[in-house]
Amino acid sequence: KAGVTQTPRYLIKTRGQQVTLSCSPISGHRSVSWYQQTPGQGLQFLFEYFSETQRNKGNFPGRFSGRQFSNSRSEMNVSTLELGDSALYLCASSWGQGKSGNTIYFGEGSWLTVV
Amino acid sequence: AQTVTQSQPEMSVQEAETVTLSCTYDTSESDYYLFWYKQPPSRQMILVIRQEAYKQQNATENRFSVNFQKAAKSFSLKISDSQLGDAAMYFCAYRSAETSGSRLTFGEGTQLTVNP
Repeated sequence: KAGVTQTPRYLIKTRGQQVTLSCSPISGHRSVSWYQQTPGQGLQFLFEYFSETQRNKGNFPGRFSGRQFSNSRSEMNVSTLELGDSALYLCASSWGQGKSGNTIYFGEGSWLTVV
Repeated sequence: AQTVTQSQPEMSVQEAETVTLSCTYDTSESDYYLFWYKQPPSRQMILVIRQEAYKQQNATENRFSVNFQKAAKSFSLKISDSQLGDAAMYFCAYRSAETSGSRLTFGEGTQLTVNP
């Protein structure tokens, strides 16, 4: 069974540009979450999508957005990039139903460098 | 809001020895889950162990076990017979079971070094 797949793995963008990151969850998983990891702020929750609807949102500016498609694949977009957006962006997927502690699986991340 | 605190930024252990990583959390909820994740240099987060708050028995996975103290809001990870492959950053994480969603709140992480 394939794991969580994130593309691209590495990318370099210029300040002011926008970027789109993609995440394919494990087959059958309907919940996809995104996290930003930086040395200074650690791991911070961006948002979660479940069945194409945003279910939770972290404390990030509106430049950060996301969406989920009917096949559960998700994309996140960052517009008007700032140097501080340089980070590892991790995607996680889970079955997402109910209150059970279903296991949350992570992808290998997308490294974004803003210059 | 829930918070998770890992007070040990770095720890080291000799190969084959035992090490304990500390984690405390703050929450007003009674139903939740706690996790330890390992992040090796590849940066992929790997689930090490999971604990349901309603279970009094401490979770165990092979060489990994936890000491869950609900009243003290403490959740430590014990690694026995440490191996070189255990070297990684370890994160403690909290997930509510009282609200829908799979949002995790992470601690700051503990960098574990295993010395041969």
